[in-house]
Amino acid sequence: EAGVAQSPRYKIIEKRQSVAFWCNPISGHATLYWYQQILGQGPKLLIQFQNNGVVDDSQLPKDRFSAERLKGVDSTLKIQPAKLEDSAVYLCASSFFFGTSGPSLQETQYFGPGTRLLVL
Amino acid sequence: QKEVEQNSGPLSVPEGAIASLNCTYSDRGSQSFFWYRQYSGKSPELIMSIYSNGDKEDGRFTAQLNKASQYVSLLIRDSQPSDSATYLCAVNEKLYQKVTFGTGTKLQVIP
Repeated sequence: EAGVAQSPRYKIIEKRQSVAFWCNPISGHATLYWYQQILGQGPKLLIQFQNNGVVDDSQLPKDRFSAERLKGVDSTLKIQPAKLEDSAVYLCASSFFFGTSGPSLQETQYFGPGTRLLVL
Repeated sequence: QKEVEQNSGPLSVPEGAIASLNCTYSDRGSQSFFWYRQYSGKSPELIMSIYSNGDKEDGRFTAQLNKASQYVSLLIRDSQPSDSATYLCAVNEKLYQKVTFGTGTKLQVIP
């Protein structure tokens, strides 16, 4: 079974430029997550999709970040314009399902390799 | 703000010893608890999941959950240098479908 794919793996840009990251989740996984992980910190959830609908984007800086999952499969996260503090690893994860009926192994998240962003 | 707290460490243990990693959470509505291991420069990978109070064992790993105390722990028996990594606690709060990670505990196993 193929894992979560992300591209690019590395990106260096200057502040005020724009950048986009792509994620393709594990086939059949309905839930897709984007995390920001700053060095020395735990992953911070930016946005969570269930199919093509947004479940949680409360921590997404909407003035500069946007994300979409138009067909309920792959997803794109964009930053425009980038700031120095956006330097981080951007992780995409997917899970089979995230429902409300009770705990389930289907909630297990599988992570992609991440994209390392450096903003100069 | 729902929180998941971990001691950042580093936690240093000698090879062969038991490593004990702890995590507390603030949301009593939390139902699912996960431990992920993250090697330096790599992505998190699932070690254990636990949903019910008590202990769950998988090889050298034991997860312990106490919902009354809002506390989850991970024990690693016979620690190996290859266990040296950052261990992340993740909590899923079902009602609002929230996922929160702790900041992670860095474990160093000394040969």
